Amino acid sequence: NAGVTQTPKFRVLKTGQSMTLLCAQDMNHEYMYWYRQDPGMGLRLIHYSVGEGTTAKGEVPDGYNVSRLKKQNFLLGLESAAPSQTSVYFCASNNPAPGYTFGSGTRLTVV
Amino acid sequence: SQQGEEDPQALSIQEGENATMNCSYKTSINNLQWYRQNSGRGLVHLILIRSNEREKHSGRLRVTLDTSKKSSSLLITASRAADTASYFCALAFGGSNYKLTFGKGTLLTVNP
Repeated sequence: NAGVTQTPKFRVLKTGQSMTLLCAQDMNHEYMYWYRQDPGMGLRLIHYSVGEGTTAKGEVPDGYNVSRLKKQNFLLGLESAAPSQTSVYFCASNNPAPGYTFGSGTRLTVV
Repeated sequence: SQQGEEDPQALSIQEGENATMNCSYKTSINNLQWYRQNSGRGLVHLILIRSNEREKHSGRLRVTLDTSKKSSSLLITASRAADTASYFCALAFGGSNYKLTFGKGTLLTVNP
């Protein structure tokens, strides 16, 4: 039982490049989330989804897009990466209670 | 800000001692959750306390919630070196009991 799997684990992008982060969960959870974690800032919600085919904006959505075409997958896209998007990205899911299950994170560096 | 604020930012104790960390917030909540993050890893859910509850226990963890003071505390008893981690409080508020806002965390170091 893998839980929440994030790919890739590490990535270095050049400014302006695009990429997609994949989050997959095998727990049949309805709700999925993308957070970013920066030093001294805690975790901030980027986008979330309350079910297949739905997405909603979180606290810091600018520069990101998401899609939830299948219940088990939640994709986070960066269309034109900027150095300010250097961060550790975490995906989480729940159903909706009692708590989140987190993935192990994707460390992204934009140079 | 509707973010919870943990206090202290860092805490260093000896193995066997108790560790207490606090979370204060400014808005009414539906529930409050505590998470642990080991260095370089994802967060792990520890415990959830609802707004109508005052205290919950889970193993060596004790969480209290004082909604009149808008604060919560997490007590870890008989700490172990393996408890070394960052601890975050997360708030569910407004019309949502599922969307969480995380604080900046308390870094706990337990020295053997």
